Amino acid sequence: TQLLEQSPQFLSIQEGENLTVYCNSSSVFSSLQWYRQEPGEGPVLLVTVVTGGEVKKLKRLTFQFGDARKDSSLHITAAQPGDTGLYLCAGVVDSSYKLIFGSGTRLLVRP
Amino acid sequence: ETGVTQTPRHLVMGMTNKKSLKCEQHLGHNAMYWYKQSAKKPLELMFVYSLEERVENNSVPSRFSPECPNSSHLFLHLHTLQPEDSALYLCASSQDFYRMVSPLHFGNGTRLTVT
Repeated sequence: TQLLEQSPQFLSIQEGENLTVYCNSSSVFSSLQWYRQEPGEGPVLLVTVVTGGEVKKLKRLTFQFGDARKDSSLHITAAQPGDTGLYLCAGVVDSSYKLIFGSGTRLLVRP
Repeated sequence: ETGVTQTPRHLVMGMTNKKSLKCEQHLGHNAMYWYKQSAKKPLELMFVYSLEERVENNSVPSRFSPECPNSSHLFLHLHTLQPEDSALYLCASSQDFYRMVSPLHFGNGTRLTVT
């Protein structure tokens, strides 16, 4: 059963455009992480959010955790080719130690 | 060397072969993980070791056999695999399995092809 739905699955945009990636679930998460995976490499953690409504910024990336802790979004401002990669959200289901991954959003930023 | 190192990076094996994947972490972490990454599917957790004890086994077929001789090393022994086992196998470590806000540090994976 897929607990974490990511959308869109694939996104191709021009350099300089803005974009938002979504991570949704019917389950409540005690925390949620975002990773980026580049070709030929393993995922690398971008951010962890733990509080409902929390917003974290990492340069041009803005992460938000939903008030009910069931969803999250990643917004990228003025995308650059270096942002290209697979973006994965992963949540710890409440009252468990299990980290569940979404199927990912593959982003291509064209120069 | 720092981080999580996996070897080999690529492996092609026949269905009757026996091979092993190796993972080593230099981060002083207590937990180590094996994940399977297939195209268009979420990362699938296979095994978790915490302080060298297996704490998670996600209904993985017995043709996959993990081994954790110490907190820095993790192996995945492969035997009589099927073509559908072809995937990227990722090793990861974290500070503490029971503190799930601690992030996973991944290796670069082994790309396995079963012919």
